[in-house]
Amino acid sequence: GAVVSQHPSRVICKSGTSVKIECRSLDFQATTMFWYRQFPKKSLMLMATSNEGSKATYEQGVEKDKFLINHASLTLSTLTVTSAHPEDSSFYICSARDLKGYTFGSGTRLTVV
Amino acid sequence: QQQVKQSPQSLIVQKGGIPIINCAYENTAFDYFPWYQQFPGKGPALLIAIRPDVSEKKEGRFTISFNKSAKQFSLHIMDSQPGDSATYFCAARETSGSRLTFGEGTQLTVNP
Repeated sequence: GAVVSQHPSRVICKSGTSVKIECRSLDFQATTMFWYRQFPKKSLMLMATSNEGSKATYEQGVEKDKFLINHASLTLSTLTVTSAHPEDSSFYICSARDLKGYTFGSGTRLTVV
Repeated sequence: QQQVKQSPQSLIVQKGGIPIINCAYENTAFDYFPWYQQFPGKGPALLIAIRPDVSEKKEGRFTISFNKSAKQFSLHIMDSQPGDSATYFCAARETSGSRLTFGEGTQLTVNP
């Protein structure tokens, strides 16, 4: 089946630094990729939708300058959390869509200290 | 505004029981209804999905029942096992869109 690889699985960074999270579709080309944020015991909150070669569409309330999304190819999307602060600590999950459906990455636990 | 309402929030059953998780929606433009299973610290994994032109779909121990007129759908897990203990999310997608709208999630515990 379709596989989405997300790295890193865990990252700890200092306040003020930037962190990049990668999401790759390994055996299929993703027409669209999604980035979610999930708080403990809560549902997935869509942050942005991106299509290859075009600018990401951000959900209301998500700062596009803080959460930079690059979708350079049909198999790779990256989320960069810029100038991270402790309140950005969360579980971030990517998802890739192809003709068959949606496949999720394994998530990235970001801790900002 | 939550477009997909999921219940219950948590559910405890004994091994072999049949937990049932329910979801309701208002948007008649939804045309794809998947269920996802998520273990702690992992991303969601697709369990089973249904489209509104069928009323039931079964894959292994997992069954979706779909009631188009009531705008409700549910997940049944037959012969539940402790390994099924996880959080389950229903979701829906509009015909014209690509994004999924998720329910709030149900934390299922299956006791040995």
